[in-house]
Amino acid sequence: GAVVSQHPSWVICKSGTSVKIECRSLDFQATTMFWYRQFPKQSLMLMATSNEGSKATYEQGVEKDKFLINHASLTLSTLTVTSAHPEDSSFYICSARDQAGGDTGELFFGEGSRLTVL
Amino acid sequence: GQNIDQPTEMTATEGAIVQINCTYQTSGFNGLFWYQQHAGEAPTFLSYNVLDGLEEKGRFSSFLSRSKGYSYLLLKELQMKDSASYLCAPIDSNYQLIWGAGTKLIIKP
Repeated sequence: GAVVSQHPSWVICKSGTSVKIECRSLDFQATTMFWYRQFPKQSLMLMATSNEGSKATYEQGVEKDKFLINHASLTLSTLTVTSAHPEDSSFYICSARDQAGGDTGELFFGEGSRLTVL
Repeated sequence: GQNIDQPTEMTATEGAIVQINCTYQTSGFNGLFWYQQHAGEAPTFLSYNVLDGLEEKGRFSSFLSRSKGYSYLLLKELQMKDSASYLCAPIDSNYQLIWGAGTKLIIKP
């Protein structure tokens, strides 16, 4: 099946620094990628929809200036957590939809990135 | 509003059958996904239903009734590795997945 690679898997950083997480679709093109956040024992929460070549669409309550998303190519989207604080510590997961499958095609998930802010 | 209702936790015995129910209310409907998620890992795809009826895929089957806003995931011949959370996720009119909190399934020997 299709593979979505997410990097890094684990990251620990100091408060106030910025962290970049990459999401790549390895064997398909994705015009749309999704970024989620999952706090312990809670469900996945959609943060934003990343659209290739245009601005991301953020969910209500998600600060777009804090969570910068760039989708520069059909196979890569990046999420940058700027000026990270301990409350940003979470499991960040990306997903991508094979554009050949249309709007209701299966979502493929990356392995997730666990961010710990000290 | 949009709402997903699944049991929080279920327990079943290895080798048995378990049915996880999901009721939903969404703004529009474009199908429903079931995902499996082990603790600390990303979700993995199990099934997609867009028409009423039962879709069978090996040990797992998924059923959908659009008029009732209801779906279930049926797991047969349960194995210990099936211990995980199972997420019901309908797709709304904007083609976004609406996630529930999931059902934690515990398999006992």
